[in-house]
Amino acid sequence: DVKVTQSSRYLVKRTGEKVFLECVQDMDHENMFWYRQDPGLGLRLIYFSYDVKMKEKGDIPEGYSVSREKKERFSLILESASTNQTSMYLCASSLMRQLKNNYGYTFGSGTRLTVV
Amino acid sequence: GEDVEQSLFLSVREGDSSVINCTYTDSSSTYLYWYKQEPGAGLQLLTYIFSNMDMKQDQRLTVLLNKKDKHLSLRIADTQTGDSAIYFCAESPRSDKLIFGTGTRLQVFP
Repeated sequence: DVKVTQSSRYLVKRTGEKVFLECVQDMDHENMFWYRQDPGLGLRLIYFSYDVKMKEKGDIPEGYSVSREKKERFSLILESASTNQTSMYLCASSLMRQLKNNYGYTFGSGTRLTVV
Repeated sequence: GEDVEQSLFLSVREGDSSVINCTYTDSSSTYLYWYKQEPGAGLQLLTYIFSNMDMKQDQRLTVLLNKKDKHLSLRIADTQTGDSAIYFCAESPRSDKLIFGTGTRLQVFP
């Protein structure tokens, strides 16, 4: 059963802490994505990556960075967590050019981060 | 610009049909998708429609696509309590990136 695994379901961090959210996929997918989900705002793309060591900014990259040292792992980093980064974070992956073949994305279960 | 819109809430009685609507902006999308998110979980692909189709039926699900109006809908027949979830539509204006709507929370009551 193929899947995308996010390392934590729930996290509580203090303002100013450096936070790492980890995502691992076992499908040999080239593309990986990080979204945040907030009520009434839907899913907003933070960063995405098409290949190892490649990254591109999404719609709301401010306050975040990412790391893709291995194909299967895509990490989201909050350099100095703030309360407005309290949210549900979702990781997803897809095959390169997969969307031409209708498979869409495979999502992880999400990490609910609370910054206090 | 890229913008996918949905109403935020829908409430239906068990056994009735549910219709969730979505409008999108980019007519170049090859596929349009519906995802379902159950409480505390990630998104799961529910169904999709190719852009040259008007309708697709899959068991209790019917997807209608009106390309002229850029309108997509998802109809769930005989809605059950297990259908309570958030439903997201998504378009694919680029072959490698999906644009998601705001999500519609479907509540099914007995």
